[in-house]
Amino acid sequence: NAGVTQTPKFRVLKTGQSMTLLCAQDMNHEYMYWYRQDPGMGLRLIHYSVGEGTTAKGEVPDGYNVSRLKKQNFLLGLESAAPSQTSVYFCASRRIRGPNTGELFFGEGSRLTVL
Amino acid sequence: AQKVTQAQTEISVVEKEDVTLDCVYETRDTTYYLFWYKQPPSGELVFLIRRNSFDEQNEISGRYSWNFQKSTSSFNFTITASQVVDSAVYFCALSEGTGGFKTIFGAGTRLFVKA
Repeated sequence: NAGVTQTPKFRVLKTGQSMTLLCAQDMNHEYMYWYRQDPGMGLRLIHYSVGEGTTAKGEVPDGYNVSRLKKQNFLLGLESAAPSQTSVYFCASRRIRGPNTGELFFGEGSRLTVL
Repeated sequence: AQKVTQAQTEISVVEKEDVTLDCVYETRDTTYYLFWYKQPPSGELVFLIRRNSFDEQNEISGRYSWNFQKSTSSFNFTITASQVVDSAVYFCALSEGTGGFKTIFGAGTRLFVKA
């Protein structure tokens, strides 16, 4: 079982460049999330989606855009990368009913460095 | 608004000691879910437990136990007879029941267990 897969795992960007992180899940989960993890700040929610075609802002949405064109995929875009966006990004998904509803299933993380 | 506070940034113990990780949360909802996740040095995020707001029973799983007290808005995690393999960052998280779309994390507590 693949679970939640993030690509790429590592990326180095120059300030002003754009890029897209892809998250794919094979568990037929309705909800998907993008978090960033920075030292001493835990995981902060960037954007999330409660279903195909819907997205919403989390705690720190500025500088990011997302799209959920297919249920299994959730894309995170950086239009003009800034050094402050250097972070480890985690994608997660969850089911909306059934055992352990609410448990987040995480990808392995994507380490992004913006120079 | 929901908030999770983990006041302990780092804790260092010697193997076989007991250790308690504190978690205090804020929410206006009467229905909510609390979680603990573990992040070992390898970086992945591992689900440990979920508790809903209507279930204040303490839970024990092997050397792990959780104490949920609504009166103090706390959901503390105790590791008994700690082992080196318990060294990790531990995150407490909160998901509000109404809608329940967002899961918010605390800043995490880094636990060092020395041999």
